[in-house]
Amino acid sequence: DARVTQTPRDKVTEMGQEVTMRCQPILGHNTVFWYRQTMMQGLELLAYFRNRAPLDDSGMPKDRFSAEMPDATLATLKIQPSEPRDSAVYFCASGTGQGNTIYFGEGSWLTVV
Amino acid sequence: AQTVTQSQPEMSVQEAETVTLSCTYDTSENNYYLFWYKQPPSRQMILVIRQEAYKQQNATENRFSVNFQKAAKSFSLKISDSQLGDTAMYFCASHLRGGSEKLVFGKGTKLTVNP
Repeated sequence: DARVTQTPRDKVTEMGQEVTMRCQPILGHNTVFWYRQTMMQGLELLAYFRNRAPLDDSGMPKDRFSAEMPDATLATLKIQPSEPRDSAVYFCASGTGQGNTIYFGEGSWLTVV
Repeated sequence: AQTVTQSQPEMSVQEAETVTLSCTYDTSENNYYLFWYKQPPSRQMILVIRQEAYKQQNATENRFSVNFQKAAKSFSLKISDSQLGDTAMYFCASHLRGGSEKLVFGKGTKLTVNP
């Protein structure tokens, strides 16, 4: 059963620490998304890759966030340094484009204290 | 720019009854896709149903169906024979065809199915 795999599932870290979230998209999917979910803002797109190339990261705070796809099986989202306002659930999602279904991972619940 | 609006923050329904969740959207494009996702307490985002805007026929998946009104830019979700497992947040989303594939989400509707 193909699925998007995210790690860690839950993380508590102290303010100022680096946080790295990892995502393995479904094999064969060429589009990868990072979304952030908070109570106040709902689901926001942070970054979007097609064929490993970043196409849209306009939703991502550039000074502390970075997103990469080192290869087709791994996407990473880094926050350095982390701040309490970064506390949220971070979702990775993947798809094949052209309006086909986008599948989500289980999310990484980040708490920055 | 696309926007998606869900005007009902919370709804409740009795088990076995029917409930309709509302969604409106705004886009200047003619070709796009619409989705309903379900997020139960486990927080997994699960696709419920998908509609292609160029198809007039309303999508149906078992107990779930949509009422797609393109001119009115309305995309409501009907859940028939509600079950306790339908309790979840429901998100309406859209993305453009042929352009950016990013999903734009509404704020969600929290649905509670009561026994």
